[in-house]
Amino acid sequence: QKEVEQNSGPLSVPEGAIASLNCTYSDRGSQSFFWYRQYSGKSPELIMFIYSNGDKEDGRFTAQLNKASQYVSLLIRDSQPSDSATYLCAAKRPSGTYKYIFGTGTRLKVLA
Amino acid sequence: DAGITQSPRYKITETGRQVTLMCHQTWSHSYMFWYRQDLGHGLRLIYYSAAADITDKGEVPDGYVVSRSKTENFPLTLESATRSQTSVYFCASSETNNEQFFGPGTRLTVL
Repeated sequence: QKEVEQNSGPLSVPEGAIASLNCTYSDRGSQSFFWYRQYSGKSPELIMFIYSNGDKEDGRFTAQLNKASQYVSLLIRDSQPSDSATYLCAAKRPSGTYKYIFGTGTRLKVLA
Repeated sequence: DAGITQSPRYKITETGRQVTLMCHQTWSHSYMFWYRQDLGHGLRLIYYSAAADITDKGEVPDGYVVSRSKTENFPLTLESATRSQTSVYFCASSETNNEQFFGPGTRLTVL
């Protein structure tokens, strides 16, 4: 079992819809979670991070964390074709280390 | 230019050769990281560094060597390249615990 798991997709949603991307993690000691977006052939760029249970909103993006269920999600509202990319979920090991574990990513396709 | 750069962007080498990938950042970030990205495996941490002269192994360090004599540079050396090291390599830097800034990547092919 991978430490951070994501469905590889592709996840196809129509333009204007809500895209829901999911991630589960196995290490209960993980404290911080990150969502990166990666366009084809480009490097990852951070969308947002979350470390407390509940929701965190930033513009069209909402990250959700449920530590009891070891589940992190990213919601993209009003999806645009420019949101089409691979979304990487990452978990950071407990404080004192800088080891990040990435999932393999979910490919999102927003259909115009 | 400010930011994080990697060189070369593309490299083809042969099995058994030594290869060094360069990473340079201008932000004076304390932390730097090397990842490799392969289909089916995602991003995997090779080595990281918390400061100059401080380095530690990540998930897949075998066959790689790093050094960090200056804060801004973090070279990655493949001492004797193997075909399994064909990959895209990303360098990243961070000053906080939260955000890593990634370089543009180096696509390495080992024949």
